[in-house]
Amino acid sequence: EAGVAQSPRYKIIEKRQSVAFWCNPISGHATLYWYQQILGQGPKLLIQFQNNGVVDDSQLPKDRFSAERLKGVDSTLKIQPAKLEDSAVYLCASYGGGQETQYFGPGTRLLVL
Amino acid sequence: SQKIEQNSEALNIQEGKTATLTCNYTNYSPAYLQWYRQDPGRGPVFLLLIRENEKEKRKERLKVTFDTTLKQSLFHITASQPADSATYLCALDMGSGYSTLTFGKGTMLLVSP
Repeated sequence: EAGVAQSPRYKIIEKRQSVAFWCNPISGHATLYWYQQILGQGPKLLIQFQNNGVVDDSQLPKDRFSAERLKGVDSTLKIQPAKLEDSAVYLCASYGGGQETQYFGPGTRLLVL
Repeated sequence: SQKIEQNSEALNIQEGKTATLTCNYTNYSPAYLQWYRQDPGRGPVFLLLIRENEKEKRKERLKVTFDTTLKQSLFHITASQPADSATYLCALDMGSGYSTLTFGKGTMLLVSP
């Protein structure tokens, strides 16, 4: 079974630029999550989708972050404009198919200069 | 909001010994408590899930306990090996039905030969 795919794996941008991350969840998983993990911290949930609807986006900084999952499968997370404090690993996870827990992708490491 | 505390310092133990990691939480007890392993540059990997009505769960060399009175979970690795060196994350699921997780900061475990 293929795992959660994310791209790119690494991204370096300057502050005020925009960036987008892509995630393809495990086939059949209805729930998709985006997390932000700052160095030395645990993952922090940014947004959670159930199919193509948003379940929870209470911790998403909506003035600069946006996410979509238009067809209920893959998803994109965008930051515009980026700030220095957005430097982190952005993890995508999926859940469903009768599984007990979430499955995580490898993450995208973002550095904002 | 829920606050989760894990051993703040890294845990150094010798190969063959039992490692014990602590996860404490405030406020309401979760419906499920999960433990994940995270290696550098990788996403978290699920290890064990314990439900609020379970006291203990085992899987090979791993054991998790859950004490809702103390609001604490202990995670044990017996006969530890250098390959067990990683960061271990505790995560709470309040039982919304969507596997929404709140993570602790994690504890880094170093097992020396």
